[in-house]
Amino acid sequence: AQKITQTQPGMFVQEKEAVTLDCTYDTSDPSYGLFWYKQPSSGEMIFLIYQGSYDQQNATEGRYSLNFQKARKSANLVISASQLGDSAMYFCAMREANFGNEKLTFGTGTRLTIIP
Amino acid sequence: DTEVTQTPKHLVMGMTNKKSLKCEQHMGHRAMYWYKQKAKKPPELMFVYSYEKLSINESVPSRFSPECPNSSLLNLHLHALQPEDSALYLCASSQLTSGRGEQYFGPGTRLTVT
Repeated sequence: AQKITQTQPGMFVQEKEAVTLDCTYDTSDPSYGLFWYKQPSSGEMIFLIYQGSYDQQNATEGRYSLNFQKARKSANLVISASQLGDSAMYFCAMREANFGNEKLTFGTGTRLTIIP
Repeated sequence: DTEVTQTPKHLVMGMTNKKSLKCEQHMGHRAMYWYKQKAKKPPELMFVYSYEKLSINESVPSRFSPECPNSSLLNLHLHALQPEDSALYLCASSQLTSGRGEQYFGPGTRLTVT
């Protein structure tokens, strides 16, 4: 079974609209961390936001927020007021056994295109 | 400063060549990683170094040989590669102690094997 599932291969969104990128995960470990990364066409993976499994509140970082629904095992990324520079590939990733295990499992990614 | 640098940016090599990829970070991170990424795919973990010791090797062929000379540097030595090894090679680093432990990536080396 896939540990991280991103069901949207591609999305087109009008500039200034909000966008939600879906991510579901599968783990039996009670301790884990969830990450979102952005990869522009230049290739560099840019860390956006983190959610720990024991965090009580949804994470926010500027225009990025994470809609964490633990019971549903989902960790959707919300980008508010999208900008042209948000066009990129977005990867959801999970690290199980939060500390001491450095292995990240990535989803297949969602390619987001912002339309002017 | 959250910068990870990688050299070279682009590399073209023949199947009989020997070359090296270099990665450097000055964030005091004690974990460093090599990933391979094919087009339109997520990164695949190759190696992890923790405190300058190899802690994870994801069954990578021996034609890829990692080296961690010190806590700031990570090399990937390449020898007798195959055309299917053409890919973007990403280096990353992270803290090992408490905290989020997010990985910071370099810009990558685009490798073409001819």
